[in-house]
Order: sequence, then structure tokens, then C-alpha cells
Amino acid sequence: SAVISQKPSRDICQRGTSLTIQCQVDSQVTMMFWYRQQPGQSLTLIATANQGSEATYESGFVIDKFPISRPNLTFSTLTVSNMSPEDSSIYLCSVEDPGGVYGYTFGSGTRLTVV
Amino acid sequence: TQLLEQSPQFLSIQEGENLTVYCNSSSVFSSLQWYRQEPGEGPVLLVTVVTGGEVKKLKRLTFQFGDARKDSSLHITAAQTGDTGLYLCAGRDDKIIFGKGTRLHILP
Repeated sequence: SAVISQKPSRDICQRGTSLTIQCQVDSQVTMMFWYRQQPGQSLTLIATANQGSEATYESGFVIDKFPISRPNLTFSTLTVSNMSPEDSSIYLCSVEDPGGVYGYTFGSGTRLTVV
Repeated sequence: TQLLEQSPQFLSIQEGENLTVYCNSSSVFSSLQWYRQEPGEGPVLLVTVVTGGEVKKLKRLTFQFGDARKDSSLHITAAQTGDTGLYLCAGRDDKIIFGKGTRLHILP
């Protein structure tokens, strides 16, 4: 299955600033997914990143707040912009593993705390 | 809106005991997955069930998909401290949705 390297693993940020999270996959994948996992909540899909096109955002998430880049088939970034304490969460990137019978492989996550 | 309800939310039991956690929905899924997530890590796939009524075993873990493909259960026999973690079910149709998880703590 794919291996994903995600960084940073954690960060503490001042409100009003931005943080960019990076995910590197060890194989080429068509789609990469970005999730948010708030305490006590399920994983919520933020957007799907396709190489060579604009990311597709889920309801409640907008590009201005969560801009995504997908410069090639192995890399993507998610930026959390103009942060507020409500953005404190774990952010995860994911790819669908074609060899894993419909399974998804996740990065280790970025634990973001906004103060 | 499709929802997956997991129960219980929290479970703390002694090592050696058996337990079952549940994943229920009013929606039908083409497949259902179970993941385990440990602190500081992303979820890791345990199993995918596809056929209604399907039962899969992974060592001490037994997964069952409901006949109507709306619900699933995970049974752990003789729990070990290494089973501690967050167990997430995820239903797959045109999209994948996750339950809130069952946080399991096995006491030594």
C-alpha cells in the first residue's frame, strides 16, 4: 500500500496567521483527500485534490480558507488561512489504495492548535 | 444525509475480556470498512466487508456486515492492551463517510 509522509506533525499557531501542511506520497495517485478530525468528531472531508485541476471542496469549506495545491501526482499541500481557535483540529491527508481493496491510506496527521 | 452511528462511544474493559462495537446506519453501503487509529497516527485499515452477511476474521477480531448492508459489528475476543485505540467504521457508496468512532481502552 502507499506510504504518506505528512508534515508538520503538530504546530501551535497565533490566530490570524496561516499554516501550510504538506503530504508526500511514495507513488503516483490521481486523487488526494484532505480531512479534518475535530475532538470527538468523525473525519470530515474538506476537499479532493486532483492534479492539474482545481480542488473540489465539500459543503462548508471554501478555497479562500483552505487553499490546496497539487503540483504533481505525488504531492499536495493544504493551507489553513487566517486561523482562529475554531480551526484547532487534526488535519489528515489520504489516498485511496488501489491495492488495498477499496481502503484508504492516511498520513499521520497534523495536530494544529490555534491560540 | 448519510450518517454512521457507532456505539459505544467509549469502552474500558479488562484485558482478557470480550467486546463488541457496533456501526449502524439507515443507509445502504456498497462496502464498509473498519479502521483503527492510535494517538498521533492516521487511521489504518483493518478490513473491508462487501457482501451482506459477510463475516471476516483477523486473528482475534471478527467483523460482520449486516444482511441489508446497513450495519456492521466488530467483536474482539480476549482483548489485549495492544487493542487500545480509536475504532472507526466507514461506509462507502459514491463517497466514503466515517463514524465518530469507538474509543477502546484495554486495562492491564
